[in-house]
Amino acid sequence: DVKVTQSSRYLVKRTGEKVFLECVQDMDHENMFWYRQDPGLGLRLIYFSYDVKMKEKGDIPEGYSVSREKKERFSLILESASTNQTSMYLCASSLGGNGGELFFGEGSRLTVL
Amino acid sequence: RKEVEQDPGPFNVPEGATVAFNCTYSNSASQSFFWYRQDCRKEPKLLMSVYSSGNEDGRFTAQLNRASQYISLLIRDSKLSDSATYLCVVGVNNAGNMLTFGGGTRLMVKP
Repeated sequence: DVKVTQSSRYLVKRTGEKVFLECVQDMDHENMFWYRQDPGLGLRLIYFSYDVKMKEKGDIPEGYSVSREKKERFSLILESASTNQTSMYLCASSLGGNGGELFFGEGSRLTVL
Repeated sequence: RKEVEQDPGPFNVPEGATVAFNCTYSNSASQSFFWYRQDCRKEPKLLMSVYSSGNEDGRFTAQLNRASQYISLLIRDSKLSDSATYLCVVGVNNAGNMLTFGGGTRLMVKP
């Protein structure tokens, strides 16, 4: 079974703090994604990566950056957290190319005070 | 108008009932259609893909209507374990960056 592991299930941070969300997948998938999920808005794509050291902006990249130094690991960084970044963050992976099914981690619920 | 729209519900149905959800999409170039299931406080998981001719997986039937730009999910003989949020996902291809998620429809199956 594909396993996508997110390092923190719950985090509470203060405005202006730097936040790192880590994601690791164990199935050698090329594609990795970061989404945020907010009530009524569905999942929105923040950033994605199709290869090591490669990153592309999704629909809502403002205020976020990412890092993919190794194939299995994709990190989401909030350089200076703000209250409107309080959300559920979901990491996902899929096979390369037209990968099809997305496999999600359990999510990281971030609260910014 | 949202790209992918779903009735948020909740749909409250008794065990054994048949329930159907619709999802409308605005991009006529869409080629890929999926239903994901998300249990409370859990991650989404693929329930089924939706094919042009419609497809069935046990108690679940998915249909696509390209002319009216909607997909549907029918659940027969509802079980308590079907209680979840069902996410409609539409894309111009299968690539993850080209998929758009609906807000989800919540289903609650009662004894």
